[in-house]
Amino acid sequence: QQQVKQSPQSLIVQKGGISIINCAYENTAFDYFPWYQQFPGKGPALLIAIRPDVSEKKEGRFTISFNKSAKQFSLHIMDSQPGDSATYFCAATLTGSARQLTFGSGTQLTVLP
Amino acid sequence: NAGVMQNPRHLVRRRGQEARLRCSPMKGHSHVYWYRQLPEEGLKFMVYLQKENIIDESGMPKERFSAEFPKEGPSILRIQQVVRGDSAAYFCASSPLLTENTEAFFGQGTRLTVV
Repeated sequence: QQQVKQSPQSLIVQKGGISIINCAYENTAFDYFPWYQQFPGKGPALLIAIRPDVSEKKEGRFTISFNKSAKQFSLHIMDSQPGDSATYFCAATLTGSARQLTFGSGTQLTVLP
Repeated sequence: NAGVMQNPRHLVRRRGQEARLRCSPMKGHSHVYWYRQLPEEGLKFMVYLQKENIIDESGMPKERFSAEFPKEGPSILRIQQVVRGDSAAYFCASSPLLTENTEAFFGQGTRLTVV
């Protein structure tokens, strides 16, 4: 019930391409869906987040698409750059609760120059 | 304003020893969360604390693990009698008073290796 499933496990994209990472959740009570970016040896950093009352949120080259009926959400990175190479985690939480995050298993993105 | 500070960054312990991981939240933050990241896996919630209170420890192993967040000083995650399976990265996150728009900020983690 609390799981968040993330795919793919790894992704290789050419510079300038589009990177797409998908997540699916089970708990329909989740109401906040952030994406985190993690570089080796660093802690996760919030990248972008969405609430289920909107179907899409865009910030620069990063876009979250949200499908409430399918219980799925995805991260799109447009014009991918080598500096985007990192591990990306989707997550979900209940804003009314203690705000602990349930994370996906991560996607290791490599953007080739 | 310094970020969430965790120390040590790397910790090596022999099986059976104790590990103490420290987390100093961002200034003004009164909520602390601990997460564990096993190799090639996502972060798993362990415990949520406010000053002098454990709010939710549903993710903590039942034995050997404990956490505290005293009135003064950092939050401490303590692992007694460590085993090889405890080897992981332990991340602390902090947030201010919880509201709908509250975000939690993560430290750089402590990488525990049990030999």
